[in-house]
Amino acid sequence: QSVLTQPPSVSAAPGQKVTISCSGSSSNIGNHYVSWYQQLPGTAPKLLLYDNNKRPSGIPDRFSGSKSGTSATLVITGLQAGDEATYSCATWDSSPSAVVFGGGTKLTVL
Amino acid sequence: QVQLVQSGAEMKKPGASMKVSCEAFGYTFSTYGLSWVRQAPGLGLEWMGRIDIYNANTNYAQRFQGRVTLTTDTASNTAHLHLRRLTSDDTAVYYCAREGYAGSEGAFDLWGQGTMVTVS
Repeated sequence: QSVLTQPPSVSAAPGQKVTISCSGSSSNIGNHYVSWYQQLPGTAPKLLLYDNNKRPSGIPDRFSGSKSGTSATLVITGLQAGDEATYSCATWDSSPSAVVFGGGTKLTVL
Repeated sequence: QVQLVQSGAEMKKPGASMKVSCEAFGYTFSTYGLSWVRQAPGLGLEWMGRIDIYNANTNYAQRFQGRVTLTTDTASNTAHLHLRRLTSDDTAVYYCAREGYAGSEGAFDLWGQGTMVTVS
């Protein structure tokens, strides 16, 4: 069972917007930056966002993030078929001292 | 090209040990820390530990303490994951991942291709 809680799946039509939540506690999300990853089947995760809402070079601005209290949210706008993947959140947890991940959310583009 | 290249798939017997290597290309190896993350079939990502390349300081996830050792060889720009006393629960894809942003734990900007380890 993952320390960070994500919905198992979400779906939306092409061109639409989807939000993926990531819920934690004061020992993790509440006091640390959140990162988000995209993972296509059979491939390594790819960093989408770090420090809650910063995009690495090459990540389109269709991907955005926010954090409030002990929860974080990934927003994807203008959905494309190629966005179909599993999305995971990650952060540091002070107790115990470790990087923790969400269980992942599978996005289906209808 | 900036990349992390990992060693190939392994098959192990229960009780054995495994060693996975991760070679860095295209950047100054000692500048960044390196974490190891694994993913069991059909499950989420699990962080195992990290190593500071420049001084070899390590931090391990509590559940792997005593069973895992992370090392680095700066002469060959290679990091190693050594996991002992394997069980079937250790069957997973093992990734090395670069810590690309200082102060942003959990932000891994470069990943190896993954190494499948099967314990059976």
